[in-house]
Amino acid sequence: ETGVTQTPRHLVMGMTNKKSLKCEQHLGHNAMYWYKQSAKKPLELMFVYSLEERVENNSVPSRFSPECPNSSHLFLHLHTLQPEDSALYLCASSNGIGSSYEQYFGPGTRLTVT
Amino acid sequence: DAKTTQPNSMESNEEEPVHLPCNHSTISGTDYIHWYRQLPSQGPEYVIHGLTSNVNNRMASLAIAEDRKSSTLILHRATLRDAAVYYCILRANTGGFKTIFGAGTRLFVKA
Repeated sequence: ETGVTQTPRHLVMGMTNKKSLKCEQHLGHNAMYWYKQSAKKPLELMFVYSLEERVENNSVPSRFSPECPNSSHLFLHLHTLQPEDSALYLCASSNGIGSSYEQYFGPGTRLTVT
Repeated sequence: DAKTTQPNSMESNEEEPVHLPCNHSTISGTDYIHWYRQLPSQGPEYVIHGLTSNVNNRMASLAIAEDRKSSTLILHRATLRDAAVYYCILRANTGGFKTIFGAGTRLFVKA
């Protein structure tokens, strides 16, 4: 248990569906992240929030829409996805966004787009 | 962004020490060196990080070369639970949240 939870753990959705991934951190951190891990590829940073403000949007397609309503919760809203979006989506949090802060990851949501 | 180079895989025997190398010849003076590991079917797990001095914690030790162009993660006694992919990452002082993961080193531990 890392103190970061993600739901659902598995999700299968059609290309026309709309779904949301949820992340919650119980560590009192003020920064949260979304990463994508595709098969055979390194983790890719998607979004970064610090103090509930987005500080990084790493050229992610608009069919992925993040939301950070407070410092403990992070959502990734999904719509009109493509099969190549199938991947493990990981949430992480840290106590700051400086280079000395370690990140704590959740277990991920395994997404399959059919 | 500075890059790291790690061997694709390494093998160790259980109960023996493991030294996982990482080269980062283009490291900047203020880049922190972070290590994470990812066990099968789990998210990455923080292991250790440092700037210039060697670091120890309950999981591992981090040895940083004097010129900071390389580092070594040391697991003092490998167990089967340590079988994972180990990532060496540089985090810049500017935009340090831009954690860039490479392919990492897959560690196999033999009983």
